[in-house]
This record gives sequence, C-alpha cells and structure tokens, in this order.
Amino acid sequence: NAGVTQTPKFRILKIGQSMTLQCAQDMNHNYMYWYRQDPGMGLKLIYYSVGAGITDKGEVPNGYNVSRSTTEDFPLRLELAAPSQTSVYFCASSHQGSTGELFFGEGSRLTVL
Amino acid sequence: AQRVTQPEKLLSVFKGAPVELKCNYSYSGSPELFWYVQYSRQRLQLLLRHISRESIKGFTADLNKGETSFHLKKPFAQEEDSAMYYCALNYRGSTLGRLYFGRGTQLTVWP
Repeated sequence: NAGVTQTPKFRILKIGQSMTLQCAQDMNHNYMYWYRQDPGMGLKLIYYSVGAGITDKGEVPNGYNVSRSTTEDFPLRLELAAPSQTSVYFCASSHQGSTGELFFGEGSRLTVL
Repeated sequence: AQRVTQPEKLLSVFKGAPVELKCNYSYSGSPELFWYVQYSRQRLQLLLRHISRESIKGFTADLNKGETSFHLKKPFAQEEDSAMYYCALNYRGSTLGRLYFGRGTQLTVWP
C-alpha cells in the first residue's frame, strides 16, 4: 500500500494563478483532510471530508476549494493564489472510528511569488 | 478557543539523559491528546495517545487536567529519537480527525 500520496511535492506559483494539489489514499478510509503548515507554526485544518460527496470547512478555508467525488481522492484547489498561501500542505486520512490517528502524505511545498 | 502550546521550539539533550517535551492546552471540554512525530525524511505519524496510556519507543505522556498539560517523557534518550514532535488535541469522543496542533519541538539527541 502506498498510503496517502500527494502531488506535486513542490510548486512555485505567481500571484493570481490557480492550481490543484492532488491527494489519493489506498486504505479505504472514509475521512480525509487538508492541513497547512506555515513556518514555525502548527498544522491548521483547511477542509475535511467524511465520505464521497461530503466536505466541510476547517479552521482556515478561505481561498481554497475541495471536492470528494470518490473515496480515494481529495483534491485541494487554489483559485487565485496569494502570497499568504505560501505554505506546506499536508493531506491526511483516517479510518472512521479511529480516534485521532491520521495517516499523512509527504507534504506539498507551495510558494506564491 | 482550543489551543495547544509547545513552549520549546528546540530541545537538545545528550544520549542517555532524560527528556521532557512540554505541551499545554486550553480547551473547555474534555480533550483527547496526542503526540505526533516526524523523523527526518519521513512522514508525520502518530506516536501515542493519552487514552491508550501506553509506552511507545520508551516514551510516555500523562494527561494532567489540573495543569492542562500533556508532557512527553523518556527516561533515557537515544540518538534515533531526534525528530520533530507535535502535540495535538481533539474533542473527546470524536472519531473525526479535526486536530489542533502545537507548533512543534525539534528534539536533537547528541551522542
């Protein structure tokens, strides 16, 4: 099993550009999450999903969109990139019923110039 | 508001010395606390959770509700313990992973 796979690992965007961070998991987990981590800070939840077709906002959802058309995939969309979105993005998944045990991807480092 | 504070950004100890990574939280309800670890070039992974009351890789952590703390301890640090450690909080009883993370403590264990 690959676990949680994120692409790309690195990306540089110009202000106003759009992009999608891809996330896929092969563990048949119902729950999936997107976190961001700014330098020197803890991870903050952007969006999460409890199953295909169901998504909800986390702590810092502004400037992002998500969709969950399948159990496996949970892409994160940035529509109009801003310098404040420069961060490391982590996708994670968890099994329904597992309290707090998240399985993380390797992270995607995004720089907006 | 929920908050997790890890006061030490960096912590260095020598091999064989005791180590304690501090974590304090603020939450009005009943929390569930976790420690996550990220070794060099590896993914963030769960180390232990307070409800399990277990020892993992020699580490233990006790939830102290009076002091609102969940410090991570190990009596004899090893070089392979060098990593980034994150304390995280969840709502008690929630199976959803909406975790609140501290900023992390980088532990270095010198030989």
